[in-house]
Amino acid sequence: KAGVTQTPRYLIKTRGQQVTLSCSPISGHRSVSWYQQTPGQGLQFLFEYFSETQRNKGNFPGRFSGRQFSNSRSEMNVSTLELGDSALYLCASSFAQDYGYTFGSGTRLTVV
Amino acid sequence: TQLLEQSPQFLSIQEGENLTVYCNSSSVFSSLQWYRQEPGEGPVLLVTVVTGGEVKKLKRLTFQFGDARKDSSLHITAAQPGDTGLYLCAGAASGYQKVTFGIGTKLQVIP
Repeated sequence: KAGVTQTPRYLIKTRGQQVTLSCSPISGHRSVSWYQQTPGQGLQFLFEYFSETQRNKGNFPGRFSGRQFSNSRSEMNVSTLELGDSALYLCASSFAQDYGYTFGSGTRLTVV
Repeated sequence: TQLLEQSPQFLSIQEGENLTVYCNSSSVFSSLQWYRQEPGEGPVLLVTVVTGGEVKKLKRLTFQFGDARKDSSLHITAAQPGDTGLYLCAGAASGYQKVTFGIGTKLQVIP
């Protein structure tokens, strides 16, 4: 079966711009979570969506937002980009938490 | 906030050696997962443990969940260069709380 698909794979933006990242989960998975990964901080939790509702939220500023559609596809948006937002953004879907996550390959965002 | 501490953070060993990676917390977890990540890719799930004291084996990898469900270990026997990667532990206090990841253990196996 198809895995978790994230688009785009790579993105270069300038400071102050905004960006939208997309994630298509595995069919049947209703939970989608987003993480930011940087070398110094590891994987930091952004938010989790379940059946179009935000179920959990991490400690990121309001510039980071997300949503989930009725087909479980999810998007995350970052407004007013800062240099520190450069990171690998990972999306993960799951059937249930105890089953673990299936991750996408990530979107590498570079802010210049 | 549930924190997961992993040790060691870096490990470089020769092919054929054994190693153990630890994941510790002061919090109790309903389940704990181990992942392996290669550069430029997302983490790949290796195992999920849910019962205190549980031991799971995956070929040369042995995973153990502590009796109190606060810690876990990953033991690799006779490491091979293909085992090289970033090993991450992750867990949540309950099925509806966020999943927290440890910082990871970067393993290099030298041929």
